[in-house]
Amino acid sequence: AQSVTQPDIHITVSEGASLELRCNYSYGATPYLFWYVQSPGQGLQLLLKYFSGDTLVQGIKGFEAEFKRSQSSFNLRKPSVHWSDAAEYFCAVGNSGYALNFGKGTSLLVTP
Amino acid sequence: DSGVTQTPKHLITATGQRVTLRCSPRSGDLSVYWYQQSLDQGLQFLIQYYNGEERAKGNILERFSAQQFPDLHSELNLSSLELGDSALYFCASSPTKGLTLEQYFGPGTRLTVT
Repeated sequence: AQSVTQPDIHITVSEGASLELRCNYSYGATPYLFWYVQSPGQGLQLLLKYFSGDTLVQGIKGFEAEFKRSQSSFNLRKPSVHWSDAAEYFCAVGNSGYALNFGKGTSLLVTP
Repeated sequence: DSGVTQTPKHLITATGQRVTLRCSPRSGDLSVYWYQQSLDQGLQFLIQYYNGEERAKGNILERFSAQQFPDLHSELNLSSLELGDSALYFCASSPTKGLTLEQYFGPGTRLTVT
């Protein structure tokens, strides 16, 4: 069965510092991979997705992610974090079917 | 604003009761998905409807049911509520059956069972 692991429950970074959020997946074939962000009191917003092709994917708000098949990873990165990036980040995996299988999420705190 | 609306925003009810959560998808989207977000289980897929028909089931309890109406809005019915059903319930919509296009999430309905 497909599954997603986000090893870091909480991450704290200083504003302006770089960010990397880890995501590992378990799936037999090439998965569809997603990163979503959830701000307090809000629904989930898609940051970026990977289906095939170039393994480095650009998303909204300056985020990017790299698919590494050999490591079963899809880590999210941002070169310079802004205070408004503080939120909960979810990695998700899906097949060509229907639903998303989400990780437990990583809570990002941005300090001045 | 994703274009997906959910009502009510908050719901407080007692154990044993039944509630109905409503979702209106984005204009033109045929698929509706329901997800449950709780502290212990995280975000879990419950059920998907496509153009009025059930297409996929996830970890949905037998006490829960859903339907999608001809105007494409969807309702999630939760009955015989237990304390553990307290959670944030999200609806998402998509133009297609599969995952190739983005799922747009609503703001959620927070259910508190007392």
